[in-house]
Amino acid sequence: EAQVTQNPRYLITVTGKKLTVTCSQNMNHEYMSWYRQDPGLGLRQIYYSMNVEVTDKGDVPEGYKVSRKEKRNFPLILESPSPNQTSLYFCASSFSLPFYKLNEQFFGPGTRLTVL
Amino acid sequence: TQLLEQSPQFLSIQEGENLTVYCNSSSVFSSLQWYRQEPGEGPVLLVTVVTGGEVKKLKRLTFQFGDARKDSSLHITAAQPGDTGLYLCATNFGNEKLTFGTGTRLTIIP
Repeated sequence: EAQVTQNPRYLITVTGKKLTVTCSQNMNHEYMSWYRQDPGLGLRQIYYSMNVEVTDKGDVPEGYKVSRKEKRNFPLILESPSPNQTSLYFCASSFSLPFYKLNEQFFGPGTRLTVL
Repeated sequence: TQLLEQSPQFLSIQEGENLTVYCNSSSVFSSLQWYRQEPGEGPVLLVTVVTGGEVKKLKRLTFQFGDARKDSSLHITAAQPGDTGLYLCATNFGNEKLTFGTGTRLTIIP
């Protein structure tokens, strides 16, 4: 089954304790990205990757890191989480991001993170 | 920063009524997508519109892309409880980043 998987689905942690949220897709997609979703703010892009070893900042990258060593995986790293990073996080992927006509973004099920 | 503004932010109507939600920007976009998100899940694509003035229909949902390519609307006819969800528009403004709107949270009351 074609899908984007994220782990964990729920995470409660404390300020400063490094954590990684994994994301994997099995559709051979080139474009992957991370979003956070907060009430009233919609989905905001944190980081995106056009392909292996190519990553760039989205609109809200502060406090986050990513890597793209393999095409299928795109982990999100919080080196020193803070309470303002409490949010719902989504990973997404698509074949590419052509400038003229967007391709469908496939989203994972989400990770609800609470930082105390 | 290029923004997508959606209105209304919240909408609650009775089953069987019609409704329209809007997505607007001050910048031109090449194509625009509408997604629906249900509680506890990620957004799912409804439609992609590409051409200014384009109208697409998906059963009771009608999507329109403005002639000036700065706005889009989603019209639902005879709303049903299954239409309840968060509706999001998205575009890339011709670059590598994806921008989503703030969303319209729709509730259909049986």
